[in-house]
Amino acid sequence: DTGVSQDPRHKITKRGQNVTFRCDPISEHNRLYWYRQTLGQGPEFLTYFQNEAQLEKSRLLSDRFSAERPKGSFSTLEIQRTEQGDSAMYLCASSVLGTDNSPLHFGNGTRLTVT
Amino acid sequence: GNSVTQMEGPVTLSEEAFLTINCTYTATGYPSLFWYVQYPGEGLQLLLKATKADDKGSNKGFEATYRKETTSFHLEKGSVQVSDSAVYFCALPLSSGSARQLTFGSGTQLTVLP
Repeated sequence: DTGVSQDPRHKITKRGQNVTFRCDPISEHNRLYWYRQTLGQGPEFLTYFQNEAQLEKSRLLSDRFSAERPKGSFSTLEIQRTEQGDSAMYLCASSVLGTDNSPLHFGNGTRLTVT
Repeated sequence: GNSVTQMEGPVTLSEEAFLTINCTYTATGYPSLFWYVQYPGEGLQLLLKATKADDKGSNKGFEATYRKETTSFHLEKGSVQVSDSAVYFCALPLSSGSARQLTFGSGTQLTVLP
């Protein structure tokens, strides 16, 4: 079990640029989640995949955000035309397909700074 | 949707002190309740959970009891260690129809001094 892996760990970008983050979940986990965490706050749900299907999206996920999981394994989160308000830690988590109580396994996150 | 209110921090304790971190929730029905912990430089990890009223979740010396009368899920540990220094998050599903969308409290920073 190598855990959930996220890349890059840190990303600094200028306002208006596009950024893409990658998440590799635990290999046998069917479910994959993206959360966003700002300083001093708990994580906020963004979106959820079961295999390759994106089943739930938060209202927080504006049109500038898009997430994919094309083969049901790794996932990417792209932010277009970044704004300073997008600065946050972006967390990926995965879990097994089972009951809704299956624990989420989080990665260490990608910290985005928009200047 | 459901929500959780967590005790504000930071909390600083001496080693072997007793710990309580308060968590109260507002929910429709009786959803599962969770405590997650985030150690410095690491991702969040599940500490313990309770799936129904009066259940007690426990792990690594930490305990929390699901109390529907007081809508609380306070985290306790009888004797903290320096290695318990971390941020602790209380969480529950956002709604009964979105059990996979967890909503988290704002977190409580715990520092344990030797």
